Amino acid sequence: AQTVTQSQPEMSVQEAETVTLSCTYDTSESDYYLFWYKQPPSRQMILVIRQEAYKQQNATENRFSVNFQKAAKSFSLKISDSQLGDAAMYFCAYRSAYSTNAGKSTFGDGTTLTVKP
Amino acid sequence: DSGVTQTPKHLITATGQRVTLRCSPRSGDLSVYWYQQSLDQGLQFLIQYYNGEERAKGNILERFSAQQFPDLHSELNLSSLELGDSALYFCASSPNSRGEQFFGPGTRLTVL
Repeated sequence: AQTVTQSQPEMSVQEAETVTLSCTYDTSESDYYLFWYKQPPSRQMILVIRQEAYKQQNATENRFSVNFQKAAKSFSLKISDSQLGDAAMYFCAYRSAYSTNAGKSTFGDGTTLTVKP
Repeated sequence: DSGVTQTPKHLITATGQRVTLRCSPRSGDLSVYWYQQSLDQGLQFLIQYYNGEERAKGNILERFSAQQFPDLHSELNLSSLELGDSALYFCASSPNSRGEQFFGPGTRLTVL
């Protein structure tokens, strides 16, 4: 079974600075997807960024980028120029690309990010 | 707005009761997923339906059941409710069984 570990329960960053959230995962599969979701106080789950395992290029979405290290099974999220609205719980998630397992997404326990003005 | 709708937003009930949570996926999405999020915890995958058929199952209790109807909306039925069932229940949808899922706003269930 796949596992996702977020080793930082809480992180804080100064507004306009850069912060990196860590995520490691364990799987025996070679084809899968990785995601970062943001959950603000409203509790809505918002997709931040996705990475397909077969793509070597790290995904970027505006101020959000990932460092995907497939061999190390690491998938960190970097937030640049942090804004107050970035304050939220961030979840790392794994999802198999194989149809027999694709429905079962596995989420980490989350990292609470605080942004200080 | 993800396009996924869930009703009701809040539900308060008593132990031993039964409730039904409803989810309407995004237009065109065939897959529906249910997740449970207990207080300050991650999401636990419960079950997935694809075009009316059960496709994947997580750690869903026997007291819980779900179905997806021909119009693709889904319902999650929770019975013999216990205090520990109090949680936020999310529905998500996707066009197929691959790629990202789009989450609804959740239903907050409180069991007293």
